[in-house]
Formats: sequence, C-alpha cells, structure tokens
Amino acid sequence: DAMVIQNPRYQVTQFGKPVTLSCSQTLNHNVMYWYQQKSSQAPKLLFHYYDKDFNNEADTPDNFQSRRPNTSFCFLDIRSPGLGDAAMYLCATSRDQRALDGYTFGSGTRLTVV
Amino acid sequence: DAKTTQPNSMESNEEEPVHLPCNHSTISGTDYIHWYRQLPSQGPEYVIHGLTSNVNNRMASLAIAEDRKSSTLILHRATLRDAAVYYCILRAGNQFYFGTGTSLTVIP
Repeated sequence: DAMVIQNPRYQVTQFGKPVTLSCSQTLNHNVMYWYQQKSSQAPKLLFHYYDKDFNNEADTPDNFQSRRPNTSFCFLDIRSPGLGDAAMYLCATSRDQRALDGYTFGSGTRLTVV
Repeated sequence: DAKTTQPNSMESNEEEPVHLPCNHSTISGTDYIHWYRQLPSQGPEYVIHGLTSNVNNRMASLAIAEDRKSSTLILHRATLRDAAVYYCILRAGNQFYFGTGTSLTVIP
C-alpha cells in the first residue's frame, strides 16, 4: 500500500545531542511537510518542501533543519535538542501544492529529550 | 491566517449521530474546508473536505453553511472507534493550519 512511513516511532535523545528523524513515502507526492505536535496541542507546521524547494515557516527555530535528498525521503534534523523540543513529529505529503485531495500523514515519531 | 474555531470537547452515545461544528468566519472564496481526525498516538487521518456544496463519503458528511462561515461534520452513527480529536482545517496559502480541534468521546 502506498503510504508515508516515519522511523523510528519513538526516539530518545540527550539534551544538546543532534538527532535526525526520517520520513519516506511511496506515493510519489511532490510536497512533503514536517509538523511538530506537543502534548494536547494541534500540529504546528515547521516547514515543507515543494519538490526541492524548501519553505520555512517564519517562527520555526533555527535549531530545526530539513533535508530532502530525493522525492521519496525527507529528514528533520534537530541540531541541539532542548527539553522544550520533546514532541510528536509528523511528516505529511500532498500530491501538489494545491493539495485538493488532502494530505497523507505518517504515524509520527515521538521524541523524548533527557 | 485562516482560523477555525471548534468546541474543545464533545460527547456522544454509541450508535447515535454526532454533529461537530466549526466556525471559520475569515474563510476566503477559494479556501477548501478539510476535516481530519487523530486517534491517540497516530498521525491525523483524512475524513472529508469540501468547498461550497455538502459532501458525503463512507466516513461522514460535511454540511457547509451558505455563507461558508461555518461547517458541520456529521458522523451518522458514532462507534467507539470514532473517539478521536477532530480537526477542522482551512488552507492558508498552500498549507494546512490546524485549529485546536474537538476531542470526541463516545459513550458505550
């Protein structure tokens, strides 16, 4: 089945130690998104790639970076995780920027910072 | 930014219909209204979307007000598996911006 896969489902990292979360998709969608969702809050958009074009949200901290080496994969890098970065990180895709048939989300990676 | 307003929580008895309201008074003419739901520890799941006319699919119905400033997601017969947070979302620019969502509890 075509889908969005996030690995790992759970990630524990140390305060200040760089961590990378990964997302892959078999949908051949052009757009990939990263959302951060803290406990009991709605998902918050961090950035997205339209093909290879990177689009950062204005309030996304510099501590968060992303890479998209090819259509299928997208990575979220947190350079120096703080306790406040503990959250669920959601990857999503859409066919194009209009996304008239919506987004497909992965199951998320829950990040714990110790 | 496009905004949506939803009640924080709602309850429904199993097997009964549920009407989940959403206000989006700042909607623009080309904004689609999307609904997603999120089960615990899962990513959001597509439910339904529409522009102006009411929409039906196998999961739910979407009723859109004539002025488009509000909409209602209708689950025709709530089951325990429908317990989730339901998000009403407008597209602003080319992105989805989530509102706070409604946590639906289904009572057996």
